[in-house]
Amino acid sequence: DTGVSQDPRHKITKRGQNVTFRCDPISEHNRLYWYRQTLGQGPEFLTYFQNEAQLEKSRLLSDRFSAERPKGSFSTLEIQRTEQGDSAMYLCASKPTKGATNTEAFFGQGTRLTVV
Amino acid sequence: AQSVTQLDSQVPVFEEAPVELRCNYSSSVSVYLFWYVQYPNQGLQLLLKYLSGSTLVKGINGFEAEFNKSQTSFHLRKPSVHISDTAEYFCAVSVMNRDDKIIFGKGTRLHILP
Repeated sequence: DTGVSQDPRHKITKRGQNVTFRCDPISEHNRLYWYRQTLGQGPEFLTYFQNEAQLEKSRLLSDRFSAERPKGSFSTLEIQRTEQGDSAMYLCASKPTKGATNTEAFFGQGTRLTVV
Repeated sequence: AQSVTQLDSQVPVFEEAPVELRCNYSSSVSVYLFWYVQYPNQGLQLLLKYLSGSTLVKGINGFEAEFNKSQTSFHLRKPSVHISDTAEYFCAVSVMNRDDKIIFGKGTRLHILP
């Protein structure tokens, strides 16, 4: 198992463009989380999934943001009409809902978005 | 709602000296507590966690933390730091027995001075 994988690692986009990020969780992890981290801040919760069901969305997730996990495996986070304020590191995490590590979230290395 | 306060945004410490990174939390229900470390341009790695039982928990890389319920604190300590400990450290909570999101503090940057 190679851990949580995120793609791309870096993305530079022009303001107004749409971007999509992908997260592949650890296999058999039911829970998948998206966080956003700006410079000098801790990760801020955006949304999470139990299998394919999106269970909670933060107020931070404006209508320009959408996340999916269509088959309960990988997830995508799309940002439409990007703004400079969207520049941040986007982190994905996964965890099992049963077993010895079900309290621990495993994080990917993140996708750094720069909107110019 | 739960919240986490890390009072120190930066902590400078000389190599081989001891260090304590402070964390206080607020919650009306019982919580699990975590410390994560983030190296530059990397994701987060779990250092240690408190679920229940002994209030002193030991983690990786020689770190330990003590849960104090009366003071709602979960301070992280290491008796002797190394240059490789230079990183950002995040304290976090999640609600006990509820499969829920993790809430993070703003982080403390640990600077190791030669």
